[in-house]
Amino acid sequence: EVQLLESGGGLVQPGGSLRLSCAASGFTFSNYALTWVRQAPGKGLEWVSLISGSGNTYYADSVEGRFTISRDNSKNTLHLQMNSLRAEDTAIYYCAKVRSAAAGNYDGFDVWGQGTMVTVSS
Amino acid sequence: EIVLTQAPATLSLSPGESATLSCRASQSVDRYLAWYQQKPGQAPRLLIYDASNRATGIPARFSGSGSGTDFTLTISSLEPEDFAVYYCQQRKNWPITFGQGTRLEI
Repeated sequence: EVQLLESGGGLVQPGGSLRLSCAASGFTFSNYALTWVRQAPGKGLEWVSLISGSGNTYYADSVEGRFTISRDNSKNTLHLQMNSLRAEDTAIYYCAKVRSAAAGNYDGFDVWGQGTMVTVSS
Repeated sequence: EIVLTQAPATLSLSPGESATLSCRASQSVDRYLAWYQQKPGQAPRLLIYDASNRATGIPARFSGSGSGTDFTLTISSLEPEDFAVYYCQQRKNWPITFGQGTRLEI
């Protein structure tokens, strides 16, 4: 069974840092792009970042320069390093797998984790 | 940034009826559009990718159409489990963007 399991969320003060992880199983991890999507309480979905199978990275403007996405193909794990956190970063953070294994074809996010909550507050 | 506008914000229907959800893009996204369903307390679920392709395991009552700037998700003969929030998402240009969602309620 294909599964993603996030961890690392919690309460952090404004300006602080947090590192999220997403453990994957049930598929050939290195073949697929992965992404982070967040959802503020009671709000819609917001794309955060994506990393290709080969390590190319993409970011939303709202997190560019503060967040860093990375992957460890030897451990089947995705990470999101979040620095200089702001109140508006408060959200559930989901990791998700891109459906297609074709390079550069990010056609949809077909497997999602259960999400991890990040709260930025003093 | 490509803005996706979904309409209506809320759609009230009954089981057995058909639902038509709209997603309009601020510029052409060709057919690079996906649809997701999200129920309370759950992660989103991919329904449709590339405008009209059903994802694995998605029932045939869900169908997508459109290209360019105007897209439609149709759910024929609504089942009780279909009442949820639906989002469209484009991948034509970076950044990837989502619509604000349509709430489908009984």
